[in-house]
Amino acid sequence: AIRMTQSPSSFSASTGDRVTITCRASQGISSYLAWYQQKPGKAPKLLIYAASTLQSGVPSRFSGSGSGTDFTLTISCLQSEDFATYYCQQYYSYPPYTFGQGTKLEIK
Amino acid sequence: EVQLVESGGGLVQPGGSLRLSCAASGFTFSSYWMSWVRQAPGKGLEWVANIKQDGSEKYYVDSVKGRFTISRDNAKNSLYLQMNSLRAEDTAVYYCARVMNPGIAAAALDYWGQGTLVTVSS
Repeated sequence: AIRMTQSPSSFSASTGDRVTITCRASQGISSYLAWYQQKPGKAPKLLIYAASTLQSGVPSRFSGSGSGTDFTLTISCLQSEDFATYYCQQYYSYPPYTFGQGTKLEIK
Repeated sequence: EVQLVESGGGLVQPGGSLRLSCAASGFTFSSYWMSWVRQAPGKGLEWVANIKQDGSEKYYVDSVKGRFTISRDNAKNSLYLQMNSLRAEDTAVYYCARVMNPGIAAAALDYWGQGTLVTVSS
């Protein structure tokens, strides 16, 4: 199974900051990568698919990049509602689809 | 509006069984692959199973093979997960989710239900 590793696992930032989360696949997955946002007690929400395509309705401050094994999720100007946990997921090789372990973004 | 509503969770003893349901609305259910994803308390997301539009292909994570069965009833716009021989490590919130591209399995999950909690404990 392809292993997805996110870094960092958690970090603190302030409103208005630009933040980047990375996701590394244990083998090449082309651009078959999605990013999700999850808030406590809620279902995950799709932010980005195909590594860089913004899901409809997602604010443009979110962006994704990368292909092959290395990917990033960038939030250009953090808003209060962005403090959440973020997951990457590969859907290149299944079963199983695999998720990263998550990155928890907290308020500094 | 796309909606996915899970039900059927609860407390069950180790070795017991439970059947989860997911009622879908707002889209042509029979055109999409569907998935179950779970999340143990305080842990990350784990994909559990997928099923093709017509039910002819099913895939599972290794840890549930032989114990869980995914199925669907397109006439009822419903997805199911039959869970047998449950273990403590199956304790989780179980989400149903739609695979976003009609007819395609290799795609992101664009709509999720609110989840249903399964607790396996004596």
